[in-house]
Amino acid sequence: EIVLTQSPATLSLSPGERATLSCGASQSVSSSYLAWYQQKPGLAPRLLIYDASSRATGIPDRFSGSGSGTDFTLTISRLEPEDFAVYYCQQYGSSPLFTFGPGTKVDIK
Amino acid sequence: QITLKESGPTLVKPTQTLTLTCTFSGFSLSTSGVGVGWIRQPPGKALEWLALIYWNDDKRYSPSLKSRLTITKDTSKNQVVLTMTNMDPVDTATYYCAHRRRDRSGFDYWGQGTLVTVSS
Repeated sequence: EIVLTQSPATLSLSPGERATLSCGASQSVSSSYLAWYQQKPGLAPRLLIYDASSRATGIPDRFSGSGSGTDFTLTISRLEPEDFAVYYCQQYGSSPLFTFGPGTKVDIK
Repeated sequence: QITLKESGPTLVKPTQTLTLTCTFSGFSLSTSGVGVGWIRQPPGKALEWLALIYWNDDKRYSPSLKSRLTITKDTSKNQVVLTMTNMDPVDTATYYCAHRRRDRSGFDYWGQGTLVTVSS
């Protein structure tokens, strides 16, 4: 069973700063089938990145994804006030078919 | 415009069976490559995938919950139904349904979620 870990658990930054979030997998993620989501309190998750590096429809280009195998990164180039939220990574393909990481909270410093 | 909305009871008793319905619009579950999944999130915790059904009636389940879950679709009604048996207080969570395309790794459209509390 594949397990995803995310680091750090909390990232305290100021608007305008760069955010780098990590997602690690206990085994290689099939064909880089890794996605990233943003979730704000009381709302459903929003897909940001799919297939490790492709931006979903309507996602600003300050969000970028990279990585392969067992190590993946979500980068927010310059934090906007609306970017402070919890971010989850999710893999597709290994058992269980979909697995989510525990999340990284990006809060205002 | 793709939208999904979950409906069902907000409170169930332990040992009861939960039935949730996802009603969607803006796509057809008879279109090749389309799927609808269920994901839940206990209060303050991470997301957990439960089940998925594809346009061709291929069904997939979380191995840890497989014995308790059944997912079905009614293409004519644009609905997907999830049943979960033997509910327990640890199943208290917000339950989401979401759309995905088989050629992509993520769930690209989500419902607003419905909070289900399991308590006697």
